[in-house]
Formats: sequence, C-alpha cells, structure tokens
Amino acid sequence: DTEVTQTPKHLVMGMTNKKSLKCEQHMGHRAMYWYKQKAKKPPELMFVYSYEKLSINESVPSRFSPECPNSSLLNLHLHALQPEDSALYLCASSQDLGGTRPQHFGDGTRLSIL
Amino acid sequence: TQLLEQSPQFLSIQEGENLTVYCNSSSVFSSLQWYRQEPGEGPVLLVTVVTGGEVKKLKRLTFQFGDARKDSSLHITAAQTGDTGLYLCAGPLMYSGGGADGLTFGKGTHLIIQP
Repeated sequence: DTEVTQTPKHLVMGMTNKKSLKCEQHMGHRAMYWYKQKAKKPPELMFVYSYEKLSINESVPSRFSPECPNSSLLNLHLHALQPEDSALYLCASSQDLGGTRPQHFGDGTRLSIL
Repeated sequence: TQLLEQSPQFLSIQEGENLTVYCNSSSVFSSLQWYRQEPGEGPVLLVTVVTGGEVKKLKRLTFQFGDARKDSSLHITAAQTGDTGLYLCAGPLMYSGGGADGLTFGKGTHLIIQP
C-alpha cells in the first residue's frame, strides 16, 4: 500500500466540466509534486509545492490549477481540458526539497477527456 | 537542459538471464535515483546514488554511479518474472537559483522477464 493516497483512481470528464484531483499524505513531508504521465512515457513534472507554497510551475496551461490547502493535502483543479490532457496524474511527496530526497508516489488518477 | 538517456527502451529476456540498463547524460548530477513502476501503480524508489563511483546492491540488483556523476547503470542477476516492470532513472531538476526541485526522468526501460 502506498503512503500517498490519490482520489479518484479513474476520472472521465467532458471538455466543459470542472473537476478536482486530490492527494493526501501523512508522513509529515513538506514538499509535494504533481506529475503527468502519458502511456509508455516517463512522468513529467508539472508543479512543486514547498511548505504549502508553489515553488515551481513547469509552464503548465492555466486549465490546470494546483492548490495546497495544508501540509497534508494537494489538489489539482481541472477546467476546460483538452483530449490531449488524458493521462495518468501522479502525486508525490518528499521530506523536503533536495535532489537526494526519495519521492513517494501515489498510484495516480487515470484521467480521460471525452 | 538536463536530459537523461536510458537504454535499452525495451528488453525481453528469459528467466535466469542477466541484464544491464544504462542511464547517461551530458550533465553532471548531484545524485541519481532508480525507480520501478508496475502497471496501474506509481513509481517506487529502488535506490539513490550520490557519490561518484558508488556501487549499491539490493539483493540481485546492482546499481552503479559513474565516477563523473554523468551516468548510472542497473544490473540484474538471474532475472525473475517478478522483475518485470518499467525501470526509470531520475535526477534532480536544477533551477537558476541553484535549488533542486522535482525530478527529471529518463524515458524508461520496459523490462519483460519470460518464464
């Protein structure tokens, strides 16, 4: 069982819908991440939060809006997505920032845009 | 740009054989990590290598970090069907402020071990 919990596991939405992905960890980690992974490809970094503040936005379109309500929760709000946004969205956490810190990944939300 | 080139991208071998996966870059990395990902799951960390020339063993898996910290390898001895999965090398993304936030991944090696 993963220590990073993501909900929902699967999500199908239309291009005009608004939905949110949720991520939760109770390891006391202060850095949290969103990655996007297309089929047969590696994860690609989208956002980094450190101590609940947005640290990095990897030029992600504004139809993706991250939010970190507290140190345990990370949300990704979705609006007006395109079919090419269909992918596995992975949340990860680490103790803090720093390249040697292991990242703990959730099992992802598989998103399909109709 | 910090690119990690991983090879081979696909590998299918028989149980009991040995294999090596390579991860190369033209950039120096402060550390490299290896993850394994199974279908329907997130990546799971196998090892972090930090020191140039370092060798780490995890049961039948041996990880090596190059002396110049630009490359790494994963060697599996006597592969088992349970080793099947996607193996990813990853390094910290460095930004202009000098901080390391998030990971950049190699393209991955899809490994299939046939019984």
